[in-house]
Amino acid sequence: EGQLVETGGGLIQPGGSLRLSCTTSEFLVSHNYMAWVRQAPGKGLEWVSVLFSGGTTKYADSVKGRFTISRDNSKNTLYLQMNSLRAEDTAVYYCAREHDNSSHFDSWGQGTLVTVSS
Amino acid sequence: QSVLTQPPSVSGALGQRITISCTGGSSNIGAGSDVHWYQQLPGKAPTVLIYDSDKRPSGVPDRFSGSKSGTSASLAITGLQAEDEADYYCQSYDISLDPLYVFGGGTKVTVL
Repeated sequence: EGQLVETGGGLIQPGGSLRLSCTTSEFLVSHNYMAWVRQAPGKGLEWVSVLFSGGTTKYADSVKGRFTISRDNSKNTLYLQMNSLRAEDTAVYYCAREHDNSSHFDSWGQGTLVTVSS
Repeated sequence: QSVLTQPPSVSGALGQRITISCTGGSSNIGAGSDVHWYQQLPGKAPTVLIYDSDKRPSGVPDRFSGSKSGTSASLAITGLQAEDEADYYCQSYDISLDPLYVFGGGTKVTVL
């Protein structure tokens, strides 16, 4: 399946902001449903946000009002703007493509680690 | 606490058959939403193992199979091999729209 590459993770203080990027050379981000899924250290997978091809966005309650998903079609890149970061946002963040005829994620990036700590 | 419930761990001997359960509710699996299964090897991203409850992507061995009934689903691994030792997650779509995509808490498979 398509290759996704995330960047932008790092160490950030509580209350800070960070923007993650996800790009691919194998398909058009704008033609697909693209999502962010995170995994806290030693924990399970948690869906964070999705951007549908038509432009509609959805968020998990845990990030609503603090995170914003968007895309830049000219750069074929998906973004996740994360504001007001909390310790509990510490996780590996994966971008993933939803299969066009199913609700499963058929392509995942390698993940980027976000650590929120003072 | 995850919306979908999985056992934290399952173990089996080489060559044995094991199953992993995934229990949801009336707004996801019970509403007819398909169930998908992912395998996550240590330090790696998840990869889809079974989609739409019982379909295998190309390249996935037929030792892996999935089924769904009512508000639950199962992943079966027959002829357990050492390389099957990994974490397994189920995932579905929730019609309540909050959250939209739901995962199980994950099951660690240990090969004895």
